[in-house]
Amino acid sequence: EVQLLESGGALMQPGGSLRLSCAASGFSFSNYAMTWVRQAPGKGLEWVSGISGSGDSTHYTDSVKGRFTISRDHSKSTVFLEMNNLRAEDTAVYYCVKDIWPFVVVSAVGAVWGRGTLVTVSS
Amino acid sequence: EIVLTQSPATLSVSPGERATLSCRASQSITTNLAWYQHKPGQSPRLLIYGSSTRATGTPGRFSGSGSGTEFTLTISSLQSEDFAVYYCQQYDDWPRTFGPGTKVDI
Repeated sequence: EVQLLESGGALMQPGGSLRLSCAASGFSFSNYAMTWVRQAPGKGLEWVSGISGSGDSTHYTDSVKGRFTISRDHSKSTVFLEMNNLRAEDTAVYYCVKDIWPFVVVSAVGAVWGRGTLVTVSS
Repeated sequence: EIVLTQSPATLSVSPGERATLSCRASQSITTNLAWYQHKPGQSPRLLIYGSSTRATGTPGRFSGSGSGTEFTLTISSLQSEDFAVYYCQQYDDWPRTFGPGTKVDI
């Protein structure tokens, strides 16, 4: 069974840094691109970042460029989201998402979603 | 950035009725559009990709259509478990974007 388990969410102060993790199991991790999607309280879904299966290609939404970094560790079947200079508007549930197709750079069509981890940025 | 607009924002329907949800893109995305269902307290679920291809496990009462800038998700006969928020997402260009959602309720 494919499973994605996010962790690392916390209450942070503005300007702080946090690293989210997503442990994957049940599939050939290195064959699939992975994506982070967030949902702010009472708001809709927002695509945040994606990384190819190899880790060579990464993409970000404009509001997090230069502040967030996505990466992956194949030995641990884990994808990370390093979040720096956090802002109140980064407050959201962050979902880890597995791409639907193998060997596609990053489609960001989310076939499997984790349960999410909550990041709160507040002073 | 490609902007997706969904209408209506809220759709009130009764079980057994047909529901038609719309998604419009600010520029052509050919058929690179997906639909998701999101229920409170759950993770989103992929329903449709490629504008009209049902994902594994999506019931046959869900159908998608459209290309270019105009897309539709149709639920032919609403079941109680279909009441949720539905999002469209484009994967034609970067950054990927979602629409604001349509809430389907009673």
